[in-house]
Amino acid sequence: GNSVTQMEGPVTLSEEAFLTINCTYTATGYPSLFWYVQYPGEGLQLLLKATKADDKGSNKGFEATYRKETTSFHLEKGSVQVSDSAVYFCALSDFSNFNKFYFGSGTKLNVKP
Amino acid sequence: DGGITQSPKYLFRKEGQNVTLSCEQNLNHDAMYWYRQDPGQGLRLIYYSQIVNDFQKGDIAEGYSVSREKKESFPLTVTSAQKNPTAFYLCASSPAGRNQPQHFGDGTRLSIL
Repeated sequence: GNSVTQMEGPVTLSEEAFLTINCTYTATGYPSLFWYVQYPGEGLQLLLKATKADDKGSNKGFEATYRKETTSFHLEKGSVQVSDSAVYFCALSDFSNFNKFYFGSGTKLNVKP
Repeated sequence: DGGITQSPKYLFRKEGQNVTLSCEQNLNHDAMYWYRQDPGQGLRLIYYSQIVNDFQKGDIAEGYSVSREKKESFPLTVTSAQKNPTAFYLCASSPAGRNQPQHFGDGTRLSIL
């Protein structure tokens, strides 16, 4: 079946530090992969996506590469800001099953000034 | 601006009462979804609809009901049969087709009085 596993949080970093949030997946077909961000009391916002192996998604300094050989889609940012503090969700979509999304449990990021 | 509007933002339910959460989108998306989010957890799919007048149960449909009479609207009713309704409810929509992301509203927080 399909599933997504994210690293446990919270992750606490100082401003300008390098960020990595690990995400691995299990899929029966050829999924698309996504990262979403959720700020307190709000819905999820699409951060980036990748639709096939070796694709790199990027947005607002964040990037992630679709690695089929390691079934991973790790989120990275070179220099985090306090405003990046939020919960980050990794997800995959299965087009063979009405485009159903499978979400990880989320990783909370705290960035300190 | 196009988007998804959920209302109300906060809702309180008395024991034995049914309550309805509103979700409206003006993105002209075919598919709509309802998710439940509990603290520190990922999203769980309640119901989804791919076209008007058609919807299917997700992973945790018991105690919930939906309708899809218009393309832009997908209300969720939390019935008295749902014994643990306190949660954050998120509505999403997506265009038809492969690799499409889901777009989310800002959520409704439901609590028991």
